[in-house]
Amino acid sequence: DTGVSQNPRHKITKRGQNVTFRCDPISEHNRLYWYRQTLGQGPEFLTYFQNEAQLEKSRLLSDRFSAERPKGSFSTLEIQRTEQGDSAMYLCASSLRAGGNGYTFGSGTRLTVV
Amino acid sequence: KNEVEQSPQNLTAQEGEFITINCSYSVGISALHWLQQHPGGGIVSLFMLSSGKKKHGRLIATINIQEKHSSLHITASHPRDSAVYICAVRGGGADGLTFGKGTHLIIQP
Repeated sequence: DTGVSQNPRHKITKRGQNVTFRCDPISEHNRLYWYRQTLGQGPEFLTYFQNEAQLEKSRLLSDRFSAERPKGSFSTLEIQRTEQGDSAMYLCASSLRAGGNGYTFGSGTRLTVV
Repeated sequence: KNEVEQSPQNLTAQEGEFITINCSYSVGISALHWLQQHPGGGIVSLFMLSSGKKKHGRLIATINIQEKHSSLHITASHPRDSAVYICAVRGGGADGLTFGKGTHLIIQP
């Protein structure tokens, strides 16, 4: 297992388009987290899954954002009708249980909305 | 909601200096993490603490639960230590991590 993998690494899209990002966590990790990081700021929590169940969503996750983890393995984060304010680094992390053994982060997907 | 404050925001030091980065938080936690982020975004987990002190190589992390404060120390700093160091906490009613804004460290040769 090579850690948490995120694709794509970079995405440039026009305002109003839909984008989808993918995260492949460490295979035995049952918890998966999505975070968003804007320039000069620390990451902010968006949502997390335990297996396939989405257990918590931040108020930052507007109705244009949707996340899924259909089989409890990989997860996707979709942003519909992108806005310039959505430009950020989207980070995925996984853990074996509730952070008990620490988190492993992916390298992130950098989204630029033009 | 937990508020996480880090200081300093920016730190430039000479190679070999002893470095201290501080983190304070407002609500009781179950764990505190120190993370390292290099340009390009990748984040590496350095420590997870719930009490006391941990050491790994030249890095030392301490936490005082009563004072809601943690410190990350780097001994014999080296230019390759240059990165953003982020403090993150878990607890206070949220399962996800709450992050500080990070400390941008530059070690000059």
